[in-house]
Amino acid sequence: DAGITQSPRHKVTETGTPVTLRCHQTENHRYMYWYRQDPGHGLRLIHYSYGVKDTDKGEVSDGYSVSRSKTEDFLLTLESATSSQTSVYFCATENFKAGGHGYTFGSGTRLTVV
Amino acid sequence: AQSVSQHNHHVILSEAASLELGCNYSYGGTVNLFWYVQYPGQHLQLLLKYFSGDPLVKGIKGFEAEFIKSKFSFNLRKPSVQWSDTAEYFCAVRDGGATNKLIFGTGTLLAVQP
Repeated sequence: DAGITQSPRHKVTETGTPVTLRCHQTENHRYMYWYRQDPGHGLRLIHYSYGVKDTDKGEVSDGYSVSRSKTEDFLLTLESATSSQTSVYFCATENFKAGGHGYTFGSGTRLTVV
Repeated sequence: AQSVSQHNHHVILSEAASLELGCNYSYGGTVNLFWYVQYPGQHLQLLLKYFSGDPLVKGIKGFEAEFIKSKFSFNLRKPSVQWSDTAEYFCAVRDGGATNKLIFGTGTLLAVQP
C-alpha cells in the first residue's frame, strides 16, 4: 500500500554488524508492528508500538530493538546481526481507533546475514 | 494468549475446484478474525474479516469465511478457484488486551494448477 514504505527493500549484511530497517507511514496510524516471516513459522511479532515513544516486545524480540520518535517512523535495529536473523521483515500499521480494520502491511525487507 | 492453527500447510487444486482452508483459534469470548493473502513476492493483503454479526463473511475475489463459535473455527472458502488464487493464506486472530496485536497462523500455501 502506498501509505507504508519500508526501506531498504533488500539488504545483505555481515554477521556482527548493526542493521536498521525503516518503516515510514503516511496514514497517521497509532499502532505499528514489526514482524518477521520465515517458512513454517508464518509471521512472528518482534516489537510493536502503540504511540510515540511507546513500544513493547513481541514474541521474538531477542537481538532486536526499536524506536519511534514520531508517529510516521518506526525503526527496527538488529544490534549485532546473526545468520538466524536472515528473514523477510514486514512492518504493519493499524488505526485501531477507527474500529480496528486489521493491519495494512508494507512491502517487506528481505534481509540476508552472511 | 490466543493462538491460531492452520491445519493445511500445502494444498494443491485444479482450476474450478472448491477450496476450504481450516483455521482454529484457541479460546473464545469476543474475537476479531482475519484472513490475509500473500501473492508470490508480495506483501500480505486483507481478504476478509469478522468482528461481529453475520457469521458468514464475504471478502474480495469471491472468498468467504464462516465463523463457528462452538468450534472456535473460521474457515476460508471459495467455490471455484482460479490459477490466480495461487498464494499463501494466513489466518489471524486479534489478541486481547491493550496491544491489539494480531496472532497469525503458520500459513497455507495454495497451488492452483491450470
